Amino acid sequence: GEDVEQSLFLSVREGDSSVINCTYTDSSSTYLYWYKQEPGAGLQLLTYIFSNMDMKQDQRLTVLLNKKDKHLSLRIADTQTGDSAIYFCAVDSGTYKYIFGTGTRLKVLA
Amino acid sequence: EAQVTQNPRYLITVTGKKLTVTCSQNMNHEYMSWYRQDPGLGLRQIYYSMNVEVTDKGDVPEGYKVSRKEKRNFPLILESPSPNQTSLYFCASSLSPLVYEQYFGPGTRLTVT
Repeated sequence: GEDVEQSLFLSVREGDSSVINCTYTDSSSTYLYWYKQEPGAGLQLLTYIFSNMDMKQDQRLTVLLNKKDKHLSLRIADTQTGDSAIYFCAVDSGTYKYIFGTGTRLKVLA
Repeated sequence: EAQVTQNPRYLITVTGKKLTVTCSQNMNHEYMSWYRQDPGLGLRQIYYSMNVEVTDKGDVPEGYKVSRKEKRNFPLILESPSPNQTSLYFCASSLSPLVYEQYFGPGTRLTVT
């Protein structure tokens, strides 16, 4: 079945850039998403990218999509302590189902 | 305030005792979905609903039932809970599937002993 993989942990220093990576197997996805989960809360959509785009920029966030390698990344510029959270990559499977990754726990060190 | 609500937020129960987790949204959303979150496994979709009376299985539907009799409500039913259903459950809704953002509820932490 479809699979979405992420590394489990990432630690960066405040002010540095963070890059969170995701690989997926389903090439029929129309949209690919990044969600953020803060402690004790549900998920919130950060950004999404249409499958025919290579890049999308939204303030401090840059999403890169490499369809050939089925690789999605989220770059957070000037990472702040408030960015500490779990980040989930998600894809739609083309049949109204969503597949989420395992989540990457980002820890920002002051 | 636009929101997705879930009740209860915390539940401890025993094996085999039927339970229902309610989910309600006030945004007139067509699409609703249930997920479970487990350490190291991320979020996995249990069931989803495209509209009233239209539901379909996600990746891990075994042991769960859902119903969508009204647009705003999408309860998750565990007829005979087992310890492997101990998890954090999230309900979500969106105006439509695909491009529209899914709004998540605050989560229900379920423990089955």
